[in-house]
Amino acid sequence: AQSVTQLDSHVSVSEGTPVLLRCNYSSSYSPSLFWYVQHPNKGLQLLLKYTSAATLVKGINGFEAEFKKSETSFHLTKPSAHMSDAAEYFCVVSPSSGGTSYGKLTFGQGTILTVHP
Amino acid sequence: EPEVTQTPSHQVTQMGQEVILHCVPISNHLYFYWYRQILGQKVEFLVSFYNNEISEKSEIFDDQFSVERPDGSNFTLKIRSTKLEDSAMYFCASSDVLDTQYFGPGTRLTVL
Repeated sequence: AQSVTQLDSHVSVSEGTPVLLRCNYSSSYSPSLFWYVQHPNKGLQLLLKYTSAATLVKGINGFEAEFKKSETSFHLTKPSAHMSDAAEYFCVVSPSSGGTSYGKLTFGQGTILTVHP
Repeated sequence: EPEVTQTPSHQVTQMGQEVILHCVPISNHLYFYWYRQILGQKVEFLVSFYNNEISEKSEIFDDQFSVERPDGSNFTLKIRSTKLEDSAMYFCASSDVLDTQYFGPGTRLTVL
């Protein structure tokens, strides 16, 4: 079984300040982990993914996430927020090879990021 | 850049009617999925499809639901007799390997 918990439903930051969106996961298998972003009236866009290579993963638009197995966390960060980052962010887990539900994504509940001028 | 497309963007139907949601996956992808998101809730997995058959389905995906790849490009989700609780955003996704899925913009289904 696998699950994802996003610790904040809403995060509000000022433009130019750091962003931290928190995610904890649970998985019976070595997981693949993803962050997706959804802008208003748009589809889900892949930001970055972790698949058991480097624990620090760099994604698009300056975002990165660090896989910490000991803490079962995969927090998303960005050094300096931009107005265009305002969106909803989803932490997602999938069992990697060996899982019986390989390919089935489990989503967190989402974090809405608001960026103030 | 290739992308997954979905039509229509918004579908309104009466309870008990059949609806078909359409998706065109990325052309060289082999794995196809449907997810849904009821307003205010998590995105939920419905079904995965590979080699012209269902690979896995969730408890939500009961006999009212079916999927089909009628030709080389389309992937459809059919709901035979819609219920009020089927109102949701439905996302189609595709992948060439099992770990990275690319999503379409979604179809908002409203059942009245």
